[in-house]
Amino acid sequence: KNEVEQSPQNLTAQEGEFITINCSYSVGISALHWLQQHPGGGIVSLFMLSSGKKKHGRLIATINIQEKHSSLHITASHPRDSAVYICAVGVTSGSRLTFGEGTQLTVNP
Amino acid sequence: NAGVTQTPKFQVLKTGQSMTLQCAQDMNHEYMSWYRQDPGMGLRLIHYSVGAGITDQGEVPNGYNVSRSTTEDFPLRLLSAAPSQTSVYFCASTREVDRGYTFGSGTRLTVV
Repeated sequence: KNEVEQSPQNLTAQEGEFITINCSYSVGISALHWLQQHPGGGIVSLFMLSSGKKKHGRLIATINIQEKHSSLHITASHPRDSAVYICAVGVTSGSRLTFGEGTQLTVNP
Repeated sequence: NAGVTQTPKFQVLKTGQSMTLQCAQDMNHEYMSWYRQDPGMGLRLIHYSVGAGITDQGEVPNGYNVSRSTTEDFPLRLLSAAPSQTSVYFCASTREVDRGYTFGSGTRLTVV
């Protein structure tokens, strides 16, 4: 079983829909990261959080440390949001990230 | 622009050849790491470094060497390329382990 599990693996939405991507982890963490990988391949850091909630534009990330679960929400989705969204955790036992497999999001106009 | 620079972007190697993937950052980040990304799998850690002169193995270190002689550079060496090393490689850096990471643009490597 992977230490970081994401769901769903694939998600197709219509423009304007509210989107939720989930991430569950089974290890002790110091922080959780949400990353975005565009079709061109580059990876961009969206959020890093260790508690509560963060918001940036139409993106919202939440984390529940007790339940070992995080969600990434996209409000009013747009075709330019189409990308792979990756959850990663900073493991408390070392200086490294452990990644989920990613969620492929496609937003249709 | 400040960031992580990876070279080359694409490379084709023959089995048994060696090569070095370059990674440089100009943000004075202490932590640098190399990952490989394969279809159907999350990124996996190959090697990482917590500062100049210090390196350690990640999940999949076999067949790869690293060194960290300066804060800026963290090259990844493939000693004798194998088809199983066909992958996309990413270098990343961060100031501290609990800060946001900056990723390079990736190197797509094919071993034939």
